[in-house]
Amino acid sequence: EVQLVQSGAEVKKPGESLKISCRTSGYIFSSFWIGWVRQMPGKGLEWMGIIYPGDSDTKYSPSFQGQVTMSVDRSTGTTYLHWSSLKASDSAMYYCARLTYSDSDVNFFDSWGQGTLVTVSS
Amino acid sequence: SYGLTQPPSVSVAPGKTASITCGGNHIGSQSVHWYQQKPGQAPVVVIYNERDRPSGIPERFSGSTSGNTATLTISRVEAGDEADYYCQVWDSSPDHVIFGGGTKLTVL
Repeated sequence: EVQLVQSGAEVKKPGESLKISCRTSGYIFSSFWIGWVRQMPGKGLEWMGIIYPGDSDTKYSPSFQGQVTMSVDRSTGTTYLHWSSLKASDSAMYYCARLTYSDSDVNFFDSWGQGTLVTVSS
Repeated sequence: SYGLTQPPSVSVAPGKTASITCGGNHIGSQSVHWYQQKPGQAPVVVIYNERDRPSGIPERFSGSTSGNTATLTISRVEAGDEADYYCQVWDSSPDHVIFGGGTKLTVL
């Protein structure tokens, strides 16, 4: 069974750094892209970017390029999302999700983590 | 930039049919996927590749595309179908994911 388990809720102050995680199991980690999706309170889904664990190739949404960094640890099957300096506007729920990817562009998220709630407040 | 347009809300009585639309200029040449998100839960894919259903998704859920509009149709709507629904496509120029704004389905 494919599983994505995310780290727990975080409460941080503006300017602090943060790394949240998404631990996967039940499939070959290096063979599937993993994406990150933001959902601000009461709002819709926003794609942040994807990372390919096989070679750490990344694709970022222009809205999030330079704002966050994605990384992987192939030894543990874990993907990370990192902020170097948080802002209050980063307060949101963050989901990781596995991307089913094909050459015919039938690309969608077939499994999701449970979400990590990040609260940034002074 | 290219975007997908969904109605903010759709209401339907139990047992009736709900149709949720997703409009986009290039959607006729793209593979459309649909997600259901119930309150406090992560999204779940209910339709992928325009009309395919993952295992475990009831046959009441179906998808189609005509022209620049994709449609998620839910037949014999149940109270448990009340949720937010999002459409999604992949755009390869450059590679990126696009979500629609979401539609809140209310079962009356």
